[in-house]
Parts: sequence; structure tokens; C-alpha cells
Amino acid sequence: LAKTTQPISMDSYEGQEVNITCSHNNIATNDYITWYQQFPSQGPRFIIQGYKTKVTNEVASLFIPADRKSSTLSLPRVSLSDTAVYYCLVGDYNQGGKLIFGQGTELSVKP
Amino acid sequence: GAGVSQSPSNKVTEKGKDVELRCDPISGHTALYWYRQSLGQGLEFLIYFQGNSAPDKSGLPSDRFSAERTGGSVSTLTIQRTQQEDSAVYLCASSLRQGAETQYFGPGTRLLVL
Repeated sequence: LAKTTQPISMDSYEGQEVNITCSHNNIATNDYITWYQQFPSQGPRFIIQGYKTKVTNEVASLFIPADRKSSTLSLPRVSLSDTAVYYCLVGDYNQGGKLIFGQGTELSVKP
Repeated sequence: GAGVSQSPSNKVTEKGKDVELRCDPISGHTALYWYRQSLGQGLEFLIYFQGNSAPDKSGLPSDRFSAERTGGSVSTLTIQRTQQEDSAVYLCASSLRQGAETQYFGPGTRLLVL
């Protein structure tokens, strides 16, 4: 499974847009890009998944350039409750369901 | 509907004792996964079950760890002769099927080995 690299931590303020970029230079043709969110003392929660271009749902947007070697999770107008660890994962889940988590990005949203 | 549930929520045990951790997946989900998260660390895959297929045990750290899934539903993770380094949060997840599907995680079992 492709290795991912993302910033260890980020700070933001309420109301700002937050963009977290993940590098995955060795992504394979069949790999999808998935982001999970984890609050303290809870299990991770699926946010968004994409293969190419742009995906948007009620929570976030995911931007994937044509070469797919990176992806950017965009959180519009964050609030204090968005303070969490965000994980970027890459894998061909049709071949194996296990998720390989990296370090994640610890996002801290301040008032 | 009900999410993934795990029990116990917390477990304190003495080194050398055996422990059993239970996971109830979402009804109808055929795939079930176990992960481990040590303090301040990311999540580490342990094992997963898909339907009646042989489980993928590639993530189990030692032969002291084993897991069963009975009747395609409830799963039990057993750790024999626990060691202090086994202290972690053990997370269970389920998905509708193996593949590019969302995995739904339970709240975890916090294991402390003294």
C-alpha cells in the first residue's frame, strides 16, 4: 500500500478554511484516497474518499491533481469541534480491506 | 441504526493474564477489522475477516494474539499472557463488504496491563 506523508500538526482559527495536503508519490492505478477524522477517545470516522479530480460532500472537499501524487482535504469554515486528527490513507481496498494509517495531522482550531 | 459496539470499554489486567475483547459489528456488515492504537501513536492493523474467507492475520504482532468471528457476526480478540507493551486502545471496525467501502469504527477498548 502506498505510503503517505502529511504535516504532523496545523493550527487554525474558527471560521477559516483549512487545507491539509497529503503526499502519496507511489500511488498505484487502482488505489483510492480516503480521509478519516479521529476525535480524542473515539474511533476514526470516515470523511471523504476520491479517485481523481474533485469530490465534495456535506463535510469536506477533496482535491486530487491529475498525477494523483498528492491530495488536499479542504474543510470550509472550521469550528472548535473540528479539532481532531486527520488521516490520509491510500489503498486498493478491493484487494484488501485493511487500512494503513500514517501519523495523521493534528488540527487545532482556536477561537 | 446501532453502530459498532465493543466491550469492555476499559480493562485493567495484570501482566501474564489472558484477556478477551469483544466486538459487535453493524448488522449486515460482512467485513470486520481489528486495529490497535498505542498512546500517542497512529492506528495499527491487526486482523480482518471477510465473510467465510480465511482471515488476514498479517498484522498480529505475536502468536499471543488471536481472533475469532463466530457466525459471521460477533468477534473476539484474545491476548494470552499479556505484556505491558500490549497496553493500548483496541479498535474494531466493520464495513458492508471488503473493498472501497467506509469502515465504521467502534469506541474501542482501553487495555492497561500492569
